[in-house]
Amino acid sequence: EAQVTQNPRYLITVTGKKLTVTCSQNMNHEYMSWYRQDPGLGLRQIYYSMNVEVTDKGDVPEGYKVSRKEKRNFPLILESPSPNQTSLYFCASSLSLRLAGHEQFFGPGTRLTVL
Amino acid sequence: EDKVVQSPLSLVVHEGDTVTLNCSYEVTNFRSLLWYKQEKKAPTFLFMLTSSGIEKKSGRLSSILDKKELFSILNITATQTGDSAIYLCAAIKAAGNKLTFGGGTRVLVKP
Repeated sequence: EAQVTQNPRYLITVTGKKLTVTCSQNMNHEYMSWYRQDPGLGLRQIYYSMNVEVTDKGDVPEGYKVSRKEKRNFPLILESPSPNQTSLYFCASSLSLRLAGHEQFFGPGTRLTVL
Repeated sequence: EDKVVQSPLSLVVHEGDTVTLNCSYEVTNFRSLLWYKQEKKAPTFLFMLTSSGIEKKSGRLSSILDKKELFSILNITATQTGDSAIYLCAAIKAAGNKLTFGGGTRVLVKP
């Protein structure tokens, strides 16, 4: 089944404890992206990647890192999480946004709470 | 700074009503606009609009883009309770493939 998977789905952690949220897609998609969703603010793009070893900042990259060593995986790293990073995080992928009509497929979301 | 604004913030309608959702954008190097439906968790894709004035339809949903006035509308006719969701629009830039989402419109359809 074609899908985007994220792990963990729920995480409660404490300030300063490094964490990684994994994202994997099995559709051979070039484009992958991370978003955070907060009430009243909609979805905001954190980082995106147009292909292996190519990553770019979105609108809210501060406090986050990403890597794209393989096409299928795009982990989100919080080196020193803070309470303002408490949010719902989505990973998404698409074949290529350069081609009109290619939609993004979203993962199920990761609810992160930083105490 | 790129900006996408959706209106209204929320609305409540009854089954059978028609709703019109608005999405306006101020995005440099704009290329396309996307509409998504978000029910419980992950958004699901509805439409991608790149050309101005060409309506896209899928069942009771339709959408159109106006690149001169910088907005798009999403229409839902003969609404059903299953249409209750948050509807999101997003603008894609021509260079870099960066997306900017609006804040969403919450639609509640009552029986």
